Amino acid sequence: DQQVKQNSPSLSVQEGRISILNCDYTNSMFDYFLWYKKYPAEGPTFLISISSIKDKNEDGRFTVFLNKSAKHLSLHIVPSQPGDSAVYFCAARGGGSGNTGKLIFGQGTTLQVKP
Amino acid sequence: NAGVTQTPKFRILKIGQSMTLQCTQDMNHNYMYWYRQDPGMGLKLIYYSVGAGITDKGEVPNGYNVSRSTTEDFPLRLELAAPSQTSVYFCASSYGRNGEKLFFGSGTQLSVL
Repeated sequence: DQQVKQNSPSLSVQEGRISILNCDYTNSMFDYFLWYKKYPAEGPTFLISISSIKDKNEDGRFTVFLNKSAKHLSLHIVPSQPGDSAVYFCAARGGGSGNTGKLIFGQGTTLQVKP
Repeated sequence: NAGVTQTPKFRILKIGQSMTLQCTQDMNHNYMYWYRQDPGMGLKLIYYSVGAGITDKGEVPNGYNVSRSTTEDFPLRLELAAPSQTSVYFCASSYGRNGEKLFFGSGTQLSVL
């Protein structure tokens, strides 16, 4: 049962354009969502996050949008740069008492930004 | 500041062999985690620890064991290696339970043949 899904395995965009990466989830108890970025032969690194009480969070070129009613979040990168080429993982944290910070990850989307 | 260090980076095992993946962090984080990543799949949580002496199972714990004798170290043990354990293993740590600052090691590529 995949609670966090990234249905697009890959995405290719032109440098300077917008990249939109999507993520869907099924568990309405998730209270915190994160995006991680991963380069080959490296571990994932934290990129941006959003609490379930918000619908948008912005950090420089990166913006995450959350639509709770649709159980959907997206990551926008504007403008896209070749150095953004990486695998992007969406992750969700379960809420409620007893939460130990465990994250559930999506399958990842490979972004390629072409010069 | 080294962060999270995993060793080895690569390993090939024969079926039935055992090994320990080492993980150490120098950030004094209470929470540590082991994930595995299979091709085309997300990261699956194997085991986690909320502090020295405390460990618990994640989503896919079968075939693995862990221990947490110190804050810094969180080794992962494979007792009877099976081809299904061929994967990339990531260790991670965080200060608290919020998860937003999960720091990952660079991973161990393990092949069981």
